[in-house]
Amino acid sequence: QVQLVESGGGVVEPGRSLRLSCADSGFTFNSYGMHWVRQAPGKGLDWVAVISYDGNKKYYADSVKGRFTISRDNSKNTLFLQMNSLRAEDTAVYYCAKDRYSGSSAAFDIWGQGTMVTVSS
Amino acid sequence: QSVLTQPPSASGTPGQRVTISCSGTNSNIGSNTVNWYQQLPGTAPKLLIYSNTLRPSGVPDRFSGSKSGTSASLAISGLQSEDEADYYCAAWDDSLNGPVFGGGTKLTVL
Repeated sequence: QVQLVESGGGVVEPGRSLRLSCADSGFTFNSYGMHWVRQAPGKGLDWVAVISYDGNKKYYADSVKGRFTISRDNSKNTLFLQMNSLRAEDTAVYYCAKDRYSGSSAAFDIWGQGTMVTVSS
Repeated sequence: QSVLTQPPSASGTPGQRVTISCSGTNSNIGSNTVNWYQQLPGTAPKLLIYSNTLRPSGVPDRFSGSKSGTSASLAISGLQSEDEADYYCAAWDDSLNGPVFGGGTKLTVL
């Protein structure tokens, strides 16, 4: 069965760092773009970052540019999100999502179950 | 404030047809395809419609999408109680170099 499983969430103090992981199973991971999308409690969906199938192209939302870094290890079928200088407004459920295409689009056809990140002192 | 504009709520009775609108600009909906997501309470979003009108395998044909200019719509016919969920539109934005979402529409089945 095709699925994505996130890990690495937790409670962290403002200004600290956290690294999220997303492991795939059931599809050709190295053929598709991958995204991180977040959802603050009680709020809507908020796109965070995307990486192309080969890792050569990366785009970020303005709200996380310079603080977050998306990367992937195609040999281990794993996607990462390194989050530095965390702020209270970064508190959200973080989902990894597979792009329907090899590059970047707004069509995410597989989603993980999400991992909660809480930034609080 | 979301880049794409959706009504915050919609409702209908079982069997009815309901439409949800999504308004954008030339840099997103006007020049790229629209996708729709369904998020049931407490679960991850699910792709419902992609490329304006196409349904992934397993999505009932009660769900349909359309696009005209800088606006798009999701229609749900034969409304069922299990359709009660949040619905989001999304499109790539050429100015922002990333996907943008609507604020979401909470659908209530009365």
